[in-house]
Amino acid sequence: GQNIDQPTEMTATEGAIVQINCTYQTSGFNGLFWYQQHAGEAPTFLSYNVLDGLEEKGRFSSFLSRSKGYSYLLLKELQMKDSASYLCAVRSNTGGFKTIFGAGTRLFVKA
Amino acid sequence: DGGITQSPKYLFRKEGQNVTLSCEQNLNHDAMYWYRQDPGQGLRLIYYSQIVNDFQKGDIAEGYSVSREKKESFPLTVTSAQKNPTAFYLCASRGGQGRSGGSYEQYFGPGTRLTVT
Repeated sequence: GQNIDQPTEMTATEGAIVQINCTYQTSGFNGLFWYQQHAGEAPTFLSYNVLDGLEEKGRFSSFLSRSKGYSYLLLKELQMKDSASYLCAVRSNTGGFKTIFGAGTRLFVKA
Repeated sequence: DGGITQSPKYLFRKEGQNVTLSCEQNLNHDAMYWYRQDPGQGLRLIYYSQIVNDFQKGDIAEGYSVSREKKESFPLTVTSAQKNPTAFYLCASRGGQGRSGGSYEQYFGPGTRLTVT
């Protein structure tokens, strides 16, 4: 079957760095996404990894290891507005290219 | 400018009534999706459509129905058969090539929060 695990909650301090981990099990892996979702709002796309390695985009970076079924999202120079849920999602090419979402990690950034 | 809209943002219904949630996109995307989000859970796929006049059941389709008569529109009906309909409903669409050149990311609407009492 398909499964995605990520921590439920994390707390970090403004200006610091935080790493949010995601482990997954899937058949027909076809890419991993990270989305940001503020409370009561729609998820917005942050990053996409399909090959192993690190993708950097400003303050956010995402890493993928396909052999380990593992990804992380790295947020640098944390700001209060980064307080949100971060959803890890895996796309599979079985069953019509569906995307499976994890439950999300709620990040609290404190002053 | 292009985007995906859902209406209304909040919806209240009595138990036993069917209700239809609207989803419209002007991104010229072929694929559209309906998800349900409950507290502490990930997004769960209800129905998806890869092309006009075609749609498939997702993981939790029971008690829901959809139609895809136009590329821009993918309405979701929550029927009285849905045992626990109170939830946050998200509609999304996906194009053939994402902003990252092949990432196929989904674009989400603002969501409709349905409360059934």
